[in-house]
Amino acid sequence: AQSVTQPDIHITVSEGASLELRCNYSYGATPYLFWYVQSPGQGLQLLLKYFSGDTLVQGIKGFEAEFKRSQSSFNLRKPSVHWSDAAEYFCAAKNSGYSTLTFGKGTMLLVSP
Amino acid sequence: DVKVTQSSRYLVKRTGEKVFLECVQDMDHENMFWYRQDPGLGLRLIYFSYDVKMKEKGDIPEGYSVSREKKERFSLILESASTNQTSMYLCASSFGTGNYGYTFGSGTRLTVV
Repeated sequence: AQSVTQPDIHITVSEGASLELRCNYSYGATPYLFWYVQSPGQGLQLLLKYFSGDTLVQGIKGFEAEFKRSQSSFNLRKPSVHWSDAAEYFCAAKNSGYSTLTFGKGTMLLVSP
Repeated sequence: DVKVTQSSRYLVKRTGEKVFLECVQDMDHENMFWYRQDPGLGLRLIYFSYDVKMKEKGDIPEGYSVSREKKERFSLILESASTNQTSMYLCASSFGTGNYGYTFGSGTRLTVV
């Protein structure tokens, strides 16, 4: 079955430190890949997406993600975390020709002073 | 900006009531989706619609129905609300089947007492 796995339920990072959130997918072919962020009590906002081409994609709010086919991964990174980045982050995927996204269970990011 | 508007941010309903959650999008998207979000379970797809009057069951359709009479509006109906339907409900919309992500509404937090 197709699935998206986010191995870390919670991550705590010091403000100013770098961040990497992990995402692995299990699909027959390379899917379209997405990262979303959800602030408390809000809907989800799209950070970035990958569908082909350059394996390093840039997104909003200073985030980037790297697609690695050999590892079936699409990890989200940020060089320097700000307190306002504290939120829940969701990785998602879908196959070409399909409408529905499959979401990971999310990673809660906590930012310490 | 694409907007997806959910009619209520917070709702409190009694067990057995019929509940309507409304969602409207303003960007002529073909697809619309209803998810529920619960701690530790992530986002689970209830129903989606790829065209007016068309609907498909998602992963957890039991106890829910939907209506899409106009392209911009997608309603989720709880026929007889139960306490286990207390949750955050998220509506989303998207274009077709390409590499398009979803645009989410801000969510409705429903409490059934």
